[in-house]
Amino acid sequence: SQQGEEDPQALSIQEGENATMNCSYKTSINNLQWYRQNSGRGLVHLILIRSNEREKHSGRLRVTLDTSKKSSSLLITASRAADTASYFCASHSGGYNKLIFGAGTRLAVHP
Amino acid sequence: EAEVAQSPRYKITEKSQAVAFWCDPISGHATLYWYRQILGQGPELLVQFQDESVVDDSQLPKDRFSAERLKGVDSTLKIQPAELGDSAMYLCASSPEGHLEAFFGQGTRLTVV
Repeated sequence: SQQGEEDPQALSIQEGENATMNCSYKTSINNLQWYRQNSGRGLVHLILIRSNEREKHSGRLRVTLDTSKKSSSLLITASRAADTASYFCASHSGGYNKLIFGAGTRLAVHP
Repeated sequence: EAEVAQSPRYKITEKSQAVAFWCDPISGHATLYWYRQILGQGPELLVQFQDESVVDDSQLPKDRFSAERLKGVDSTLKIQPAELGDSAMYLCASSPEGHLEAFFGQGTRLTVV
Protein backbone atom coordinates (compact mmCIF):
# COMPACT_ATOMS: atom_id res chain seq x y z
CA SER A 1 0.00 0.00 0.00
CA GLN A 2 1.22 3.52 -0.71
CA GLN A 3 0.24 6.64 1.16
CA GLY A 4 1.47 9.27 -1.27
CA GLU A 5 1.21 9.74 -4.99
CA GLU A 6 3.74 11.93 -6.74
CA ASP A 7 3.11 14.06 -9.78
CA PRO A 8 4.56 14.15 -12.35
CA GLN A 9 5.89 10.61 -12.67
CA ALA A 10 8.81 11.93 -14.70
CA LEU A 11 10.29 15.38 -15.22
CA SER A 12 13.00 16.46 -17.64
CA ILE A 13 14.59 19.93 -17.38
CA GLN A 14 17.73 21.85 -18.26
CA GLU A 15 20.41 22.78 -15.75
CA GLY A 16 19.60 26.04 -14.02
CA GLU A 17 15.84 25.58 -14.24
CA ASN A 18 13.63 24.95 -11.24
CA ALA A 19 12.00 21.56 -10.66
CA THR A 20 8.69 21.17 -8.87
CA MET A 21 7.31 17.84 -7.71
CA ASN A 22 3.98 17.30 -6.03
CA CYS A 23 2.75 14.71 -3.57
CA SER A 24 -0.81 13.94 -2.56
CA TYR A 25 -1.62 11.72 0.37
CA LYS A 26 -4.71 9.97 1.61
CA THR A 27 -4.89 9.98 5.40
CA SER A 28 -4.13 12.56 8.05
CA ILE A 29 -0.44 12.95 8.80
CA ASN A 30 1.76 14.36 11.55
CA ASN A 31 4.64 15.03 9.22
CA LEU A 32 5.73 14.51 5.64
CA GLN A 33 9.22 13.72 4.44
CA TRP A 34 11.01 13.86 1.11
CA TYR A 35 13.73 11.41 0.10
CA ARG A 36 16.04 11.17 -2.87
CA GLN A 37 17.29 8.01 -4.56
CA ASN A 38 20.09 7.85 -7.08
CA SER A 39 19.78 5.03 -9.59
CA GLY A 40 20.31 1.64 -7.99
CA ARG A 41 21.11 3.06 -4.56
CA GLY A 42 19.41 3.51 -1.20
CA LEU A 43 17.25 6.47 -0.26
CA VAL A 44 18.58 9.59 1.40
CA HIS A 45 16.46 11.82 3.62
CA LEU A 46 16.18 15.39 2.33
CA ILE A 47 13.73 17.30 4.47
CA LEU A 48 10.83 16.87 6.90
CA ILE A 49 7.87 19.19 7.34
CA ARG A 50 5.46 18.88 10.25
CA SER A 51 1.72 19.20 9.92
CA ASN A 52 1.71 22.58 11.69
CA GLU A 53 4.23 24.01 9.22
CA ARG A 54 3.34 25.45 5.82
CA GLU A 55 6.77 25.91 4.29
CA LYS A 56 10.33 24.86 4.97
CA HIS A 57 13.66 25.57 3.30
CA SER A 58 16.94 23.72 3.16
CA GLY A 59 19.57 25.05 0.80
CA ARG A 60 18.11 24.88 -2.71
CA LEU A 61 15.11 22.89 -1.49
CA ARG A 62 11.75 24.36 -0.60
CA VAL A 63 8.90 22.22 0.69
CA THR A 64 5.31 23.32 1.16
CA LEU A 65 2.49 21.50 2.89
CA ASP A 66 -1.23 22.08 2.50
CA THR A 67 -3.04 19.84 4.97
CA SER A 68 -6.47 21.00 3.77
CA LYS A 69 -5.67 19.64 0.30
CA LYS A 70 -3.58 16.73 1.61
CA SER A 71 -0.73 17.75 -0.64
CA SER A 72 2.91 18.78 -0.53
CA SER A 73 5.35 20.11 -3.08
CA LEU A 74 9.13 19.95 -3.37
CA LEU A 75 10.88 22.72 -5.27
CA ILE A 76 14.51 22.40 -6.29
CA THR A 77 15.86 25.74 -7.44
CA ALA A 78 18.72 26.27 -9.91
CA SER A 79 18.90 22.56 -10.68
CA ARG A 80 22.17 20.79 -11.46
CA ALA A 81 22.92 17.63 -13.41
CA ALA A 82 23.79 16.02 -10.06
CA ASP A 83 20.15 16.48 -8.97
CA THR A 84 19.16 13.75 -11.44
CA ALA A 85 17.48 11.12 -9.26
CA SER A 86 14.10 9.83 -8.12
CA TYR A 87 12.32 11.78 -5.41
CA PHE A 88 9.80 10.24 -3.01
CA CYS A 89 7.46 11.65 -0.44
CA ALA A 90 6.78 9.58 2.68
CA SER A 91 4.70 9.83 5.81
CA HIS A 92 4.11 7.89 9.00
CA SER A 93 0.79 6.22 9.62
CA GLY A 94 -0.67 3.70 11.97
CA GLY A 95 -0.01 2.99 15.62
CA TYR A 96 3.63 2.05 15.18
CA ASN A 97 4.44 4.83 12.76
CA LYS A 98 4.80 2.80 9.60
CA LEU A 99 6.81 4.87 7.10
CA ILE A 100 4.96 4.68 3.81
CA PHE A 101 6.32 5.95 0.50
CA GLY A 102 4.74 7.25 -2.67
CA ALA A 103 5.53 6.09 -6.19
CA GLY A 104 8.12 8.79 -6.83
CA THR A 105 9.05 11.38 -9.47
CA ARG A 106 11.99 10.63 -11.74
CA LEU A 107 13.88 13.85 -12.38
CA ALA A 108 16.39 14.22 -15.20
CA VAL A 109 18.48 17.40 -15.32
CA HIS A 110 20.33 17.89 -18.60
CA PRO A 111 23.59 19.88 -18.80
CA GLU B 1 29.72 8.34 9.47
CA ALA B 2 27.59 5.40 10.62
CA GLU B 3 25.75 3.55 7.87
CA VAL B 4 23.20 0.79 7.48
CA ALA B 5 25.03 -2.22 6.07
CA GLN B 6 23.35 -4.69 3.74
CA SER B 7 24.66 -7.82 2.09
CA PRO B 8 24.90 -9.11 -0.48
CA ARG B 9 24.65 -6.12 -2.88
CA TYR B 10 23.54 -8.38 -5.72
CA LYS B 11 22.02 -11.84 -5.74
CA ILE B 12 20.93 -14.05 -8.62
CA THR B 13 18.96 -17.12 -7.69
CA GLU B 14 16.91 -19.71 -9.48
CA LYS B 15 13.19 -19.99 -9.06
CA SER B 16 12.17 -22.22 -6.13
CA GLN B 17 15.50 -21.73 -4.35
CA ALA B 18 15.90 -20.13 -0.94
CA VAL B 19 17.57 -16.74 -0.57
CA ALA B 20 18.47 -14.61 2.42
CA PHE B 21 19.43 -10.98 2.92
CA TRP B 22 21.23 -9.47 5.87
CA CYS B 23 21.00 -6.01 7.40
CA ASP B 24 23.04 -4.38 10.14
CA PRO B 25 21.39 -1.12 11.22
CA ILE B 26 23.13 1.89 12.68
CA SER B 27 24.15 1.12 16.25
CA GLY B 28 21.48 2.00 18.76
CA HIS B 29 18.66 2.31 16.24
CA ALA B 30 15.59 0.62 17.71
CA THR B 31 13.41 0.66 14.59
CA LEU B 32 14.32 -1.45 11.58
CA TYR B 33 12.41 -1.57 8.30
CA TRP B 34 12.57 -3.94 5.34
CA TYR B 35 11.22 -2.59 2.05
CA ARG B 36 10.81 -4.13 -1.40
CA GLN B 37 11.17 -1.83 -4.39
CA ILE B 38 10.19 -2.98 -7.84
CA LEU B 39 11.94 -1.10 -10.64
CA GLY B 40 10.22 2.21 -11.33
CA GLN B 41 8.07 2.10 -8.21
CA GLY B 42 8.28 3.38 -4.65
CA PRO B 43 9.48 1.27 -1.72
CA GLU B 44 6.82 -1.02 -0.25
CA LEU B 45 7.08 -1.76 3.46
CA LEU B 46 7.36 -5.48 4.13
CA VAL B 47 8.11 -5.60 7.84
CA GLN B 48 8.91 -3.21 10.68
CA PHE B 49 10.72 -4.13 13.89
CA GLN B 50 10.84 -2.26 17.15
CA ASP B 51 13.87 -3.77 18.86
CA GLU B 52 13.39 -7.54 18.42
CA SER B 53 9.61 -7.43 18.00
CA VAL B 54 7.69 -7.31 14.74
CA VAL B 55 5.28 -4.36 14.95
CA ASP B 56 3.98 -4.55 11.39
CA ASP B 57 4.20 -7.29 8.79
CA SER B 58 0.84 -6.75 7.13
CA GLN B 59 2.38 -6.61 3.64
CA LEU B 60 4.79 -9.51 4.12
CA PRO B 61 3.82 -12.58 2.01
CA LYS B 62 4.08 -14.94 4.95
CA ASP B 63 3.75 -18.11 2.92
CA ARG B 64 7.23 -17.55 1.53
CA PHE B 65 8.84 -14.62 3.34
CA SER B 66 10.16 -14.53 6.89
CA ALA B 67 12.08 -11.95 8.86
CA GLU B 68 13.82 -11.99 12.19
CA ARG B 69 15.80 -9.63 14.33
CA LEU B 70 17.26 -11.73 17.09
CA LYS B 71 18.71 -9.68 19.96
CA GLY B 72 17.24 -6.56 18.38
CA VAL B 73 20.35 -5.70 16.40
CA ASP B 74 20.93 -7.14 12.92
CA SER B 75 18.17 -8.68 10.84
CA THR B 76 17.67 -11.33 8.18
CA LEU B 77 14.97 -11.46 5.52
CA LYS B 78 14.41 -14.84 3.87
CA ILE B 79 12.46 -15.95 0.83
CA GLN B 80 11.68 -19.62 0.32
CA PRO B 81 10.88 -20.55 -2.36
CA ALA B 82 11.80 -17.60 -4.58
CA GLU B 83 9.49 -16.74 -7.46
CA LEU B 84 10.17 -14.75 -10.62
CA GLY B 85 8.01 -11.90 -9.29
CA ASP B 86 10.32 -11.48 -6.29
CA SER B 87 12.93 -9.84 -8.49
CA ALA B 88 13.37 -6.40 -6.94
CA MET B 89 15.59 -4.24 -4.76
CA TYR B 90 15.34 -5.10 -1.06
CA LEU B 91 16.08 -2.12 1.14
CA CYS B 92 16.77 -2.02 4.84
CA ALA B 93 16.42 1.15 6.90
CA SER B 94 16.71 2.07 10.56
CA SER B 95 15.70 4.89 12.89
CA PRO B 96 16.56 5.81 16.46
CA GLU B 97 13.64 5.54 18.86
CA GLY B 98 11.40 8.59 18.68
CA HIS B 99 13.11 9.78 15.53
CA LEU B 100 11.23 10.32 12.30
CA GLU B 101 13.98 10.17 9.68
CA ALA B 102 14.92 6.76 8.28
CA PHE B 103 18.48 5.89 7.28
CA PHE B 104 18.75 3.49 4.37
CA GLY B 105 21.31 0.93 3.32
CA GLN B 106 22.41 0.52 -0.30
CA GLY B 107 20.01 -2.38 -0.85
CA THR B 108 20.25 -5.89 -2.25
CA ARG B 109 19.30 -6.31 -5.90
CA LEU B 110 17.65 -9.71 -6.31
CA THR B 111 17.16 -11.34 -9.69
CA VAL B 112 15.20 -14.58 -9.83
CA VAL B 113 15.75 -16.60 -13.00
